[in-house]
Amino acid sequence: DVKVTQSSRYLVKRTGEKVFLECVQDMDHENMFWYRQDPGLGLRLIYFSYDVKMKEKGDIPEGYSVSREKKERFSLILESASTNQTSMYLCASSSDTSGSSYEQYFGPGTRLTVT
Amino acid sequence: DQQVKQNSPSLSVQEGRISILNCDYTNSMFDYFLWYKKYPAEGPTFLISISSIKDKNEDGRFTVFLNKSAKHLSLHIVPSQPGDSAVYFCAASSAGGTSYGKLTFGQGTILTVHP
Repeated sequence: DVKVTQSSRYLVKRTGEKVFLECVQDMDHENMFWYRQDPGLGLRLIYFSYDVKMKEKGDIPEGYSVSREKKERFSLILESASTNQTSMYLCASSSDTSGSSYEQYFGPGTRLTVT
Repeated sequence: DQQVKQNSPSLSVQEGRISILNCDYTNSMFDYFLWYKKYPAEGPTFLISISSIKDKNEDGRFTVFLNKSAKHLSLHIVPSQPGDSAVYFCAASSAGGTSYGKLTFGQGTILTVHP
């Protein structure tokens, strides 16, 4: 069974703080993704990584950065948290060897509130 | 620019009846489509998928139909059960060397199945 874990289920931070969200997958997947989910907007891709130390911007990268130093771990960093970054953050991973299935496996999410 | 759209924010169905969730897309390069189901406080889980070379895929109570000319897909759940109550996301992907399995998600449809 693929398992994707996220470091926190709930997080409350103050405006201006630096925030780290950690994601770990145990299936040796090449690709990892960070999304945020907001009501009425669905899941929007922030950043993704297709290999260690490789990263690509998604649709809404502003205000975020990422780090992938090890294959199993993908971190999302909010350099200076703002109230409009209050959201549900979801991490996912997928394998390049899964043929054309494109299936992504998701973690349970981190509900971040910035006050 | 919303490339994948789910125009119905919510759907309410009686137990035992059919649920039909709809999804439209604009990008003709999309060639693989997935449906995910999400319960509150959990990450999305994969439900069913379809390749653009097919027009139907069935898995138990779940069937996905693809109409490429209309750029439209639908998920049918028959019979609907109260445990199916969740948010359903449609997602699309395109093959290609730099896609890295990226998915573009719709806004989601909240399905409520009444006993």
